Amino acid sequence: AQKVTQAQTEISVVEKEDVTLDCVYETRDTTYYLFWYKQPPSGELVFLIRRNSFDEQNEISGRYSWNFQKSTSSFNFTITASQVVDSAVYFCALSETGGGNKLTFGTGTQLKVEL
Amino acid sequence: NAGVTQTPKFQVLKTGQSMTLQCAQDMNHEYMSWYRQDPGMGLRLIHYSVGAGITDQGEVPNGYNVSRSTTEDFPLRLLSAAPSQTSVYFCASSYSRLGGNSPLHFGNGTRLTVT
Repeated sequence: AQKVTQAQTEISVVEKEDVTLDCVYETRDTTYYLFWYKQPPSGELVFLIRRNSFDEQNEISGRYSWNFQKSTSSFNFTITASQVVDSAVYFCALSETGGGNKLTFGTGTQLKVEL
Repeated sequence: NAGVTQTPKFQVLKTGQSMTLQCAQDMNHEYMSWYRQDPGMGLRLIHYSVGAGITDQGEVPNGYNVSRSTTEDFPLRLLSAAPSQTSVYFCASSYSRLGGNSPLHFGNGTRLTVT
């Protein structure tokens, strides 16, 4: 069975600090997809990134970057120079190829960015 | 495009009552699904559909029914509401049924309280 673990329940940082959100996954499939979603205080879920298991290249999008390491089954998310608007709950999720588009979510990390 | 539209936004039910949460998407997406979000548990899949006329159970299907008579609509029915069904419900859709081929687009959620 697949599983996603986000061990950090809540993180508080001061604006402009860098912060890394951890995600560790378990799967028996060799082909799978990893996702990050953001849930701001308004409650909607916003897709951030999708990564397939064959692509271990790190990705950078503005202040966001993702580090995918199959050797440690991790898909960590770093926000550089955090801003108050980054305050949200961030979810990591996994889907297996044979499982359709069914996502297994982690329990989420609440990020609070303070002035 | 409206995307994924969920109604109502809020609902209070008494134990034993039934109701239907509505979900509609205007993106001609093949795949639709329902998740519930509970504190400390992330999002869990209730039911999903890979196309009109086809539905299947997810991780936590008990107490819920679904049908998919059209591509656009995927209602979730609570047969006899219980306090354990107090949760935030999200409907999601994606272009493809294949895992990872397209990210899920989420509705804004329905907050349900069962007293």
